[in-house]
Amino acid sequence: QVQLQESGPGLVKPSETLSLTCSVSGGSVGSGNYYWSWIRQPPGKGLEWIAYMSHSGSTNSRLSLKSRVTMSVDTSKNQFSLKLDSVTAADTAMYYCARAAPTGNYPYYSYYMDVWGKGTKVTVSS
Amino acid sequence: DIQMTQSPSSLSASVGDRVTITCRASQSISSTYLNWYQQKPGKAPNLLIYAASSLESGVPSRFSGSGSGTDFTLTISSLQPGDFATYYCQQTYSAPLNFGGGTKVEIK
Repeated sequence: QVQLQESGPGLVKPSETLSLTCSVSGGSVGSGNYYWSWIRQPPGKGLEWIAYMSHSGSTNSRLSLKSRVTMSVDTSKNQFSLKLDSVTAADTAMYYCARAAPTGNYPYYSYYMDVWGKGTKVTVSS
Repeated sequence: DIQMTQSPSSLSASVGDRVTITCRASQSISSTYLNWYQQKPGKAPNLLIYAASSLESGVPSRFSGSGSGTDFTLTISSLQPGDFATYYCQQTYSAPLNFGGGTKVEIK
């Protein structure tokens, strides 16, 4: 079965770039009609979708973060990544990667996040 | 943006109770674009229901979902000890793929 594992620094200084990687095992990031996603959860708060990307490069992100977010998919390493520029304390959160799987009939797919990583805690502080 | 509003934000219930959680979208979405997740403390969310009413494989049948348009519900027919958690709805009709604010189900 597919498993996801986030990795990255737990502490990032304000104004620097947060870089996270999600490693995929038990399946291929380059196959299927999946979207690979990032979601975060500030301490004690709810879930916030950040961005998604397909292996072919189709991508979308939350408008409020769009100018700071870069996603990439590396099929050779079977992983995908998130970069968030110019971080502030407001970016402190648990960050999850997830697979969005399609349901329905092409091209009218809908998606649901069926596989999640365990999450990685990121603190922005000097 | 489509905003998702859940109610109640928290509830207290006993084992064996029937529990209903409501999720309202700020605009009409097809039921195929509404999903429900369960999150236990310190854990990642876990998919329960997709496309409003389809039960994810391995999820107990006491969980069910329904709804259309702007109003959706998650029902737990008989609450079990392992069901005490926070539940989130999510729309995947259009970006941003917003989640509801969550409903925390606590032990009465």
